[in-house]
Amino acid sequence: NAGVTQTPKFQVLKTGQSMTLQCAQDMNHNSMYWYRQDPGMGLRLIYYSASEGTTDKGEVPNGYNVSRLNKREFSLRLESAAPSQTSVYFCASSGGLAPSQPQHFGDGTRLSIL
Amino acid sequence: AQSVTQLGSHVSVSEGALVLLRCNYSSSVPPYLFWYVQYPNQGLQLLLKYTSAATLVKGINGFEAEFKKSETSFHLTKPSAHMSDAAEYFCAVSRDPNYGGSQGNLIFGKGTKLSVKP
Repeated sequence: NAGVTQTPKFQVLKTGQSMTLQCAQDMNHNSMYWYRQDPGMGLRLIYYSASEGTTDKGEVPNGYNVSRLNKREFSLRLESAAPSQTSVYFCASSGGLAPSQPQHFGDGTRLSIL
Repeated sequence: AQSVTQLGSHVSVSEGALVLLRCNYSSSVPPYLFWYVQYPNQGLQLLLKYTSAATLVKGINGFEAEFKKSETSFHLTKPSAHMSDAAEYFCAVSRDPNYGGSQGNLIFGKGTKLSVKP
């Protein structure tokens, strides 16, 4: 029962470096999401993909890009990392965007940018 | 605009005491509501969800929540706290597709950290 798998679990980057966070789900879900979690801020949506082949901006998309590689995989890329992007990043998936659909989360990637 | 407000960023209870975590929402349409739990260094796990079938919803680990339309509330309770309940809890409401702006299907509150004292 893997569910949603994120790699890596931890990463330290220097300012200006690039990196891709990987996410894969094995629940045959249509929709996938990337969030960042910062203390006192809750979860903020970065990007989401309603279905394979589509991606859309969320609440805080600046500085990030995403790729929905196939139905299972949804990656998040930081092209030029900045200290403000130090955060915990969560990937999630759901059956679809219908209001009744709960989201299922991975265990997160803890990213520090020096 | 839709929103979720969780009253109290930190709640502390004694082991065996009642747990009450408050959530109020705003929504122009009948909402779907969710409670998630996050244990340290883990992702969010679904505790329970309200989908209009019954106003009292039972979830995992002995938690339940009651939907009160007149109060626009969906508070989470557990009769007797256990040390293992120490975690952060998030309330979320489904997003009304008729609103503009960012999508995704859920709006999350900022979370409430529950501490359980021995």
